Parts: sequence; structure tokens; C-alpha cells
Amino acid sequence: AQSVTQPDIHITVSEGASLELRCNYSYGATPYLFWYVQSPGQGLQLLLKYFSGDTLVQGIKGFEAEFKRSQSSFNLRKPSVHWSDAAEYFCAVGGYGAAGNKLTFGGGTRVLVKP
Amino acid sequence: ETGVTQTPRHLVMGMTNKKSLKCEQHLGHNAMYWYKQSAKKPLELMFVYSLEERVENNSVPSRFSPECPNSSHLFLHLHTLQPEDSALYLCASSQERQLTLGEQFFGPGTRLTVL
Repeated sequence: AQSVTQPDIHITVSEGASLELRCNYSYGATPYLFWYVQSPGQGLQLLLKYFSGDTLVQGIKGFEAEFKRSQSSFNLRKPSVHWSDAAEYFCAVGGYGAAGNKLTFGGGTRVLVKP
Repeated sequence: ETGVTQTPRHLVMGMTNKKSLKCEQHLGHNAMYWYKQSAKKPLELMFVYSLEERVENNSVPSRFSPECPNSSHLFLHLHTLQPEDSALYLCASSQERQLTLGEQFFGPGTRLTVL
């Protein structure tokens, strides 16, 4: 069965500092990996995705993530955080099977940005 | 309207009421999903419809009844709910192709409170 672990429930970072959110996954085949962001009262917005190819993927809002197969990780990074990045971030792993498109989400990491 | 819309955005209902949540996608996608997001729990997939046929039902209680009349509309009919069903209900859609995984686009959600 596929699973996703986000070890950090909360992270507080100063505006302008760098940010790294951890994600570890368990999946039996080559995974499809996603990072979504959710602002308060909103749905989920896709930041970036990894299907194949270059293991360093660029996303929107200045985010990037690196797929490391040997570590079963897909960590999200941003070099310089803005106050608008305060939100909850979800890592997800997916695969295409008999049940179609099935995503499994991690528990999320809530990011607080200090002025 | 663009993207994925959900109505109502907020709903308060008693345990004996019957209500319905509506989702509409304007993206031409062929698959739609219902997720439940509770506090302190990972996002849970409830139902998947692909080409208007239900392909996944993750052991959801029968008090939740989905309906997908066409590829653009998805409903979640609610009856005799319990207070623990209070949550944010998210709808998503994707374009599925053979042997690949489509990106899921989410609506803003319906915040449901069961009294």
C-alpha cells in the first residue's frame, strides 16, 4: 500500500529565510509525486509534480523539490520565504492502477512566517 | 466560472436533515473525486468517478451517497449524518489517460458542520 509521511507538523520560519519541508513516501513502483499548498479556507493548489526525468523539479511561487529514490524522499524547498507563503503544505504520492488515479496524501505541514 | 466550483461553501445541518453538496468542473476533465478533510487527519479519498462510473469507494458509510450525472457534475448526498462527519469536503477533477496519471485540480471545499 502507498503511504506518505510528513514528519514536521509545524514549521516557523522568518521572512526571507530558506524553507525545506520533508516528505517520505512508500510506493511499490515508480511514484508520481506532488506538492500541494492550501491557504486558510481554500482548496488545494498544485505547486509542482514529479513524474519522471530530471529529479529536481521547479514549481510555481519559487518552489522546487528534489526526488531522491534512494531515500524515498521528495523534499520541498524555497530559498527565500515571503509572508504569503504561510499556509499548509501537503505531499502526495499517486499511481495509476485498476482503480484509476489514486492519490495518497501526507498529514500536512503548517508553515508560519515571522516578520 | 473557471476551474472547479463547489456549493455551498458552508453548510450547517442537523443529524436528521438531508442535504446535498454540489461540485462542477469547467476543465473538460473525465474524472472527479470527493475527499474529506478533518482536523488533525490526512486528506481521505471518499469516492472516485471516472467517465461517470464509480471506480473507487473507500468504505465510506452509506449515509454518504455520491452521484455523477455527467462528466462535469458531481454531487454528494448527505442524510442522517453524525457530528464526527463535520469536516471540509473537497471535490477534485482530473483528465485521465491510459497508463498515466492526471493532475488533480481542487475546488475550494464545503465546510460542513453537523449539529
